[in-house]
Amino acid sequence: AQTVTQSQPEMSVQEAETVTLSCTYDTSESNYYLFWYKQPPSRQMILVIRQEAYKQQNATENRFSVNFQKAAKSFSLKISDSQLGDTAMYFCAFTHMDSNYQLIWGAGTKLIIKP
Amino acid sequence: DSGVTQTPKHLITATGQRVTLRCSPRSGDLSVYWYQQSLDQGLQFLIQYYNGEERAKGNILERFSAQQFPDLHSELNLSSLELGDSALYFCASSVALAGGTDTQYFGPGTRLTVL
Repeated sequence: AQTVTQSQPEMSVQEAETVTLSCTYDTSESNYYLFWYKQPPSRQMILVIRQEAYKQQNATENRFSVNFQKAAKSFSLKISDSQLGDTAMYFCAFTHMDSNYQLIWGAGTKLIIKP
Repeated sequence: DSGVTQTPKHLITATGQRVTLRCSPRSGDLSVYWYQQSLDQGLQFLIQYYNGEERAKGNILERFSAQQFPDLHSELNLSSLELGDSALYFCASSVALAGGTDTQYFGPGTRLTVL
């Protein structure tokens, strides 16, 4: 069975600093997709970034980038120049075609950006 | 705004009652997913519909049921409600093309409180 593990329940950094959130997963699939979702205090679930397993290049979206290590089954999220609005729960999620794209979620990391 | 709409935003009801949550997917998306998020916990996948047909089932109780209508909107029915059913219920939608990359976009959620 596929699993997703986020080992950091909570992190806090100062505004403008860089922070990295960890995520590891376990799967025997070769063709899969990984996501980071953000859930701010409003509880809305917002897609941050997506990575296809077949792509070697790490995905980047503005201040957000990932470090995808396929052999190590690691998918960390780096937030550069952190802003107060980045304060949220961050969830790592995994899916693959054979599971009908059902998302498997990590437990989440609570990120607090301090002014 | 993800383009996925959910109504109502909030619902307060009593134990033993039945409620219906409604979801309209993004334009062009054929697949709808339902998730439950209890307080301070991750998301639990409940059920998926694709173009009107049930495609996958997760940890959905027998007291819960769902359907997707010809116009692709979906409803989640929760009956014989218990205190433990109090949670945030998310709907997500995706294109879900076979063999293609798929990303789920989430609605704002319905907060259900059972008293």
